[in-house]
Amino acid sequence: QSVLTQPPSVSAAPGQKVTISCSGSSSNIGNNYVSWYQQLPGTAPKLLIYDNNKRPSGIPDRFSGSKSGTSATLGITGLLTGDEADYFCGTWDSSLSSGVFGGGTKLTVL
Amino acid sequence: EVQVVESGGGLVQPGGSLRLSCVASGFSFSTYWMSWVRQAPGKGLEWVANIKQDGNEKYYVDSVKGRFTISRENAKNSLYLQMNSLRAEDTAMYFCVRGGRSYDYWGQGTLVTVSS
Repeated sequence: QSVLTQPPSVSAAPGQKVTISCSGSSSNIGNNYVSWYQQLPGTAPKLLIYDNNKRPSGIPDRFSGSKSGTSATLGITGLLTGDEADYFCGTWDSSLSSGVFGGGTKLTVL
Repeated sequence: EVQVVESGGGLVQPGGSLRLSCVASGFSFSTYWMSWVRQAPGKGLEWVANIKQDGNEKYYVDSVKGRFTISRENAKNSLYLQMNSLRAEDTAMYFCVRGGRSYDYWGQGTLVTVSS
């Protein structure tokens, strides 16, 4: 059971928008930055969003992040079939003194 | 180009030991926190441990405390994970990652299988 809670799966049509939620508590999301990772099948994860809403160089602005209280959200607009992947949220947990991840959300672009 | 390359994985019996290594290049290794993250087959990501730039601060997930030790050798741009008393549930792909709380570069991983 993951410390952070994500929906197991989401789906949307090409060109549409999807959001993926990540729920935590005051000891993790509530007081620490959130990051998001994309894992395409058979590859290592890739950083999409850091510090709640910042995009690394090379990540298109179709990807966005936000945080409110003890929850965070990843948004993806203009969906492409190539966006089909697993998405993970992550942060630090100050009570556990350890990093924590969500269980992951599988995105299907129908 | 930033690269991190893991090695040292393999098949080990329960109770055995393994030492993972990670060599970094393309950035100033000694100025970054580094971490290990693992992923069991078909499962999600699990943070394992991290280490401060000078090696004087380390943190571990509860399930590996007392069994795993993270270390680094800045002169060799290298990160290590000494894994003792291995259990079946430690079977996973182990990723070396740059960063302490968010992880911007990932290696391709090294597979550890604990089985008799």
